Amino acid sequence: GDSVTQMEGPVTLSEEAFLTINCTYTATGYPSLFWYVQYPGEGLQLLLKATKADDKGSNKGFEATYRKETTSFHLEKGSVQVSDSAVYFCALSDSNYQLIWGAGTKLIIKP
Amino acid sequence: EAGVAQSPRYKIIEKRQSVAFWCNPISGHATLYWYQQILGQGPKLLIQFQNNGVVDDSQLPKDRFSAERLKGVDSTLKIQPAKLEDSAVYLCASGMGSTDTQYFGPGTRLTVL
Repeated sequence: GDSVTQMEGPVTLSEEAFLTINCTYTATGYPSLFWYVQYPGEGLQLLLKATKADDKGSNKGFEATYRKETTSFHLEKGSVQVSDSAVYFCALSDSNYQLIWGAGTKLIIKP
Repeated sequence: EAGVAQSPRYKIIEKRQSVAFWCNPISGHATLYWYQQILGQGPKLLIQFQNNGVVDDSQLPKDRFSAERLKGVDSTLKIQPAKLEDSAVYLCASGMGSTDTQYFGPGTRLTVL
């Protein structure tokens, strides 16, 4: 079945560092891909999405490109801030509009 | 545009008691989802509604959990009786049904003592 694998955390970076969180997927067909973010004590927020190969999703300085050839959707940000500290989830949408989730990656940004 | 609303935000009960959670989706969203999120894990889908019909409830523990979506708008999720392992955040999400993007509410944090 469909699945999502993302890098284990926590990932600890200093402020203004470059961020990459890896995400790879296995799916039949051509799913949409998502990154959701969960700040401490809050619900899940859609960060960005991409619906087809080579699409780039972007929001709040974060970017991810749908790479069909490597079945990947890595999250990147050029300069992280303390306020980016959160748990990041990669997910894909199956044919029933259900989300298949990665395990989440906790990001800690130190000032 | 108002987001997904959930209440209560927090609930503490003792095991074997019952509890209910309420969700009001984004206006016009046909699809509604309930998830259980245990601390440190990703969300687990409990049930998916399309309007007022159930699309998938294969992971809903039906001996103790029930959910309904009367009139295809608001939804309630009930647990009766609660067990210690039900301690989790219960998330409600909605979507248009014709797209695959889900929008989440703030969640209800349930603690079972």
